[in-house]
Amino acid sequence: GENVEQHPSTLSVQEGDSAVIKCTYSDSASNYFPWYKQELGKRPQLIIDIRSNVGEKKDQRIAVTLNKTAKHFSLHITETQPEDSAVYFCAVNFGNEKLTFGTGTRLTIIP
Amino acid sequence: GAVVSQHPSRVICKSGTSVKIECRSLDFQATTMFWYRQFPKKSLMLMATSNEGSKATYEQGVEKDKFLINHASLTLSTLTVTSAHPEDSSFYICSALRDAGSETQYFGPGTRLLVL
Repeated sequence: GENVEQHPSTLSVQEGDSAVIKCTYSDSASNYFPWYKQELGKRPQLIIDIRSNVGEKKDQRIAVTLNKTAKHFSLHITETQPEDSAVYFCAVNFGNEKLTFGTGTRLTIIP
Repeated sequence: GAVVSQHPSRVICKSGTSVKIECRSLDFQATTMFWYRQFPKKSLMLMATSNEGSKATYEQGVEKDKFLINHASLTLSTLTVTSAHPEDSSFYICSALRDAGSETQYFGPGTRLLVL
């Protein structure tokens, strides 16, 4: 089946430190892996995505790494700031336009 | 850009009534839109895929006669919650694919439904 697991469910880091969130998926045919940030009561915002032909992608303080063999991908946020506090969701496109979302990680940046 | 709007942003209704939620793509045409439901502190759960000019495809466990979806134009999809009950209270979010074959989904701001 199409399954996405996300860890940890909550994460607290000191401002300025790095945060890492990991997702694993079940189907090796998956080809698109976005990460969304959702603030309370707001819409999910796409922050970075990666496709299956790429191993790593970086956009300023945010990076995503993909290990297709092991079927996992990770979000890395460096030099964290208080405004990074939010819920982060990974998602996987299993090849049929639909996205299956992970369970979410509540990230808290401690000033 | 890729802007998606939803209306209303929040609605309170009585049990047994129906509520219609609109999802619009403002600056692009969307042949495919998606409807999600999100309970407090939970993830987004896909309810159905809405394709312009054809019937929606519902996910397993989602009642198509209760959650009516209409995608009559390339910029508008509607979700009608019929005979709403308190357990239908949730955050309903739509998304749209900007281009055919595109994988990136752009989300609307969501509609918070409270059924009394």
